Amino acid sequence: AQSVSQHNHHVILSEAASLELGCNYSYGGTVNLFWYVQYPGQHLQLLLKYFSGDPLVKGIKGFEAEFIKSKFSFNLRKPSVQWSDTAEYFCAVNGGYNKLIFGAGTRLAVHP
Amino acid sequence: DTGVSQNPRHKITKRGQNVTFRCDPISEHNRLYWYRQTLGQGPEFLTYFQNEAQLEKSRLLSDRFSAERPKGSFSTLEIQRTEQGDSAMYLCASSEELAGGRNEQFFGPGTRLTVL
Repeated sequence: AQSVSQHNHHVILSEAASLELGCNYSYGGTVNLFWYVQYPGQHLQLLLKYFSGDPLVKGIKGFEAEFIKSKFSFNLRKPSVQWSDTAEYFCAVNGGYNKLIFGAGTRLAVHP
Repeated sequence: DTGVSQNPRHKITKRGQNVTFRCDPISEHNRLYWYRQTLGQGPEFLTYFQNEAQLEKSRLLSDRFSAERPKGSFSTLEIQRTEQGDSAMYLCASSEELAGGRNEQFFGPGTRLTVL
């Protein structure tokens, strides 16, 4: 069965610090990978997605993620966070089926 | 706003009562999904429709849960004889039909259910 692990449940950073959120998935076949973000009081929004091709994917608001097939990982990165990045971040996988399997989420707090 | 909408946004009910939630997807999307999210967890898949056909149901969806999408547009999720363990955020998402799961799902704001 597919599963997704997000290792950091809570992350606290100061503005301008670099961010890396870990995501590992369990699935042996071809996968589609997603990062969703939920800002306070808002609904889930897609941050970026990987289907195939260049394993380094760029998303909105300066975020990027790298797919490393050998490590079953899809870590999210941002070189310099802002206070407005305070949100909950969810990694999700879909192995060619239609449902998304989500990780438990990482709650990020950025202090000015 | 042409995104996914859900009603009501909040529902408080007493244990044993029935509740029904509605989801209106993005109009050109023929796939509609229901997820449930509890505190500290990511969304968990419940069921999905392609047009009016319900194509997959999770084992999380007990006999007390039923979902419909009668005309392939809006969908309803009904919970009968609610239990306190049903308290959660119920999320709806919609997507186009693309091969290989390459479909971006757009989420609604959710319906927060509290069972007293």
